[in-house]
Amino acid sequence: QAVVTQEPSLTVSPGGTVTLTCGSSTGAVTSGHWPYWFQQKPGQAPRTLIWDTTNKNSWTPARFSGSLLGGKAALTLSGAQPEDEADYYCFLSYSGTWVFGGGTKLTVL
Amino acid sequence: EVQVVESGGGLVQPGGSLRLSCAVSGSTFINYWMTWVRQAPGKGLEWVANINRDGGEKYYVDSVKGRFTISRDNAKNSLYLQMNSLRAEDMAVYYCMRGSGGVWGKGTTVTVSS
Repeated sequence: QAVVTQEPSLTVSPGGTVTLTCGSSTGAVTSGHWPYWFQQKPGQAPRTLIWDTTNKNSWTPARFSGSLLGGKAALTLSGAQPEDEADYYCFLSYSGTWVFGGGTKLTVL
Repeated sequence: EVQVVESGGGLVQPGGSLRLSCAVSGSTFINYWMTWVRQAPGKGLEWVANINRDGGEKYYVDSVKGRFTISRDNAKNSLYLQMNSLRAEDMAVYYCMRGSGGVWGKGTTVTVSS
């Protein structure tokens, strides 16, 4: 089974920009992995920010964007807000099966 | 508005069985793949299983193969997870997620303990 890797933790200043990445043990992440990005706050269910690499939901703040960057999936937060402090998970498809990354704990400080 | 609501969680002894349900409203259920995800206490998210639109394709994480069965009833807009031979390591909050956009429910808790 593939292993999906994320930064364990990142810190961003309020108003700053940060990029979270999602790599695959099988090689470059492509659009064919249908990358998803989820946000989860303590005690809450996850919610989907980005799906199929770049697509946003109606509830996704405009400051979040998804892309492919240097062989990885990436989630960029531009103009961080205190309420963005949370765990972020990426999710990749491997021909029917799926694998989560270990999550990135984002601190806004 | 799309709503996803899980039910069926509870306390079960090791080796026991449980059937989770997930009701989806506000969207055309048959148009979407559906997924079960779980989260053990204090741990990250783990994909468990998913099923295609007509139920003809099913995929499972290795740790549940042969013990869990995912199914759906498109007439009832519902997804199911039959869990047999439950182990302590299956204890988690189980979430249902609709594909294409990833709409989540609030989860249902499964406790495996004697």
